[in-house]
Amino acid sequence: SSELTQDPAVSVALGQTVRITCQGDSLRSYYASWYQQKPGQAPTLVIYGTDNRPSGIPDRFSGSSSGNTASLTITGAQAEDEADYYCYSRDTNDNDLIFGGGTKVTVL
Amino acid sequence: QVTLKESGPVLVKPAETLTLTCTVAGFSLNNGRMGVSWIRQSPGKALEWLAHIFSNDEKSYSTSLKNRLTISRDTSKSQVVLTMTNMDPVDTATYYCVRILKRYDSSGHSYYYLDVWGKGTTVTVSS
Repeated sequence: SSELTQDPAVSVALGQTVRITCQGDSLRSYYASWYQQKPGQAPTLVIYGTDNRPSGIPDRFSGSSSGNTASLTITGAQAEDEADYYCYSRDTNDNDLIFGGGTKVTVL
Repeated sequence: QVTLKESGPVLVKPAETLTLTCTVAGFSLNNGRMGVSWIRQSPGKALEWLAHIFSNDEKSYSTSLKNRLTISRDTSKSQVVLTMTNMDPVDTATYYCVRILKRYDSSGHSYYYLDVWGKGTTVTVSS
């Protein structure tokens, strides 16, 4: 099986842009989705199919992918974007669905 | 409005079997493109996918836990049930019931994503 690797933490100044990355061999074959989790809450979907936003998600959230890396970009980060972000995809064993370790985003 | 609600014991003893029930509303468990997945999160840890089930009875289990897991559905009750045997303190976690969607890309490859989450239920394993 493979893993999805994320940086444990990143910080961004209010109104600036931050990119969160997720690396893994499976991302060469399978789409990623991204989830936002605020303290004490269940996660919510922010990006699916690599670059699609569900309704209700602000357009400052965008997704992309290249090679073995998927990325979530927040353009013009807001205070309410401070949260943990997890990537999710399919494993190279073609069975398991796997999460990255999560990235804690702090908005300064 | 799509909702999912988890129910089950708050506390289980080591070696016991955990049974969790997910009651869904706002969508049908007979919808072929929608299923229900169970995800858990140990305190301070990352999310972990456990299993999912779709309307055609497609089931999939985490490779590392498959010997302990069983997922089933009762469409008449709009419920999905997950059982996990031989519980251990390391299984202490919040367990989430989530709607999972299956889509196909232009190459015909399937991919999944989790679009609606329940609030989760916290299970502690302790004697």
